[in-house]
Amino acid sequence: AQSVTQLGSHVSVSEGALVLLRCNYSSSVPPYLFWYVQYPNQGLQLLLKYTSAATLVKGINGFEAEFKKSETSFHLTKPSAHMRDAAEYFCAVSDKNRDDKIIFGKGTRLHILP
Amino acid sequence: NAGVTQTPKFQVLKTGQSMTLQCAQDMNHNSMYWYRQDPGMGLRLIYYSASEGTTDKGEVPNGYNVSRLNKREFSLRLESAAPSQTSVYFCASSSHRALETYEQYFGPGTRLTVT
Repeated sequence: AQSVTQLGSHVSVSEGALVLLRCNYSSSVPPYLFWYVQYPNQGLQLLLKYTSAATLVKGINGFEAEFKKSETSFHLTKPSAHMRDAAEYFCAVSDKNRDDKIIFGKGTRLHILP
Repeated sequence: NAGVTQTPKFQVLKTGQSMTLQCAQDMNHNSMYWYRQDPGMGLRLIYYSASEGTTDKGEVPNGYNVSRLNKREFSLRLESAAPSQTSVYFCASSSHRALETYEQYFGPGTRLTVT
């Protein structure tokens, strides 16, 4: 069975500092992996996705994530945080060989300190 | 191209009342989903529909029913609302055509309070 673990339900970084949000997954087959962002009072928006092409994936708003099979990780990073990055971030995994469901992590709320 | 739309945006119900949450997508997607979001719990799948005419239970289906009315529309019904169903409800859709990657597109959500 697939699962996703996001380390840290809240992460605080200073404006201009590196953002690192951690995600580990479990899947018995090669997965698709996603990061979604949710701004206050809005729905989820896709940030980026890994689909077995390049292991370093670039997304919107300067975010990127690296797929590391040996570590079963898909951590999200951004070199320099902006105030507008304050939101909740969800890592998700999909088993492309089985069905069309996505399993979401519990989310990490990112706080940006001025 | 509106994407995924949901109505209503907000709703307050009394315990025991019923209501239907509406969802529609205009992206010609085969699959549609209903989730609930509660603090600290992430998104939990209530029901999903892989194609018109089919529905399947997700992780938390109790107390809910769904109807896939046609390819565009997927409704969620609460027959007898309970305070435990106070939550934010999201509808999503995805495509499973060849070479696509199952990413889901979300609606703006319905904030439901049951008193």
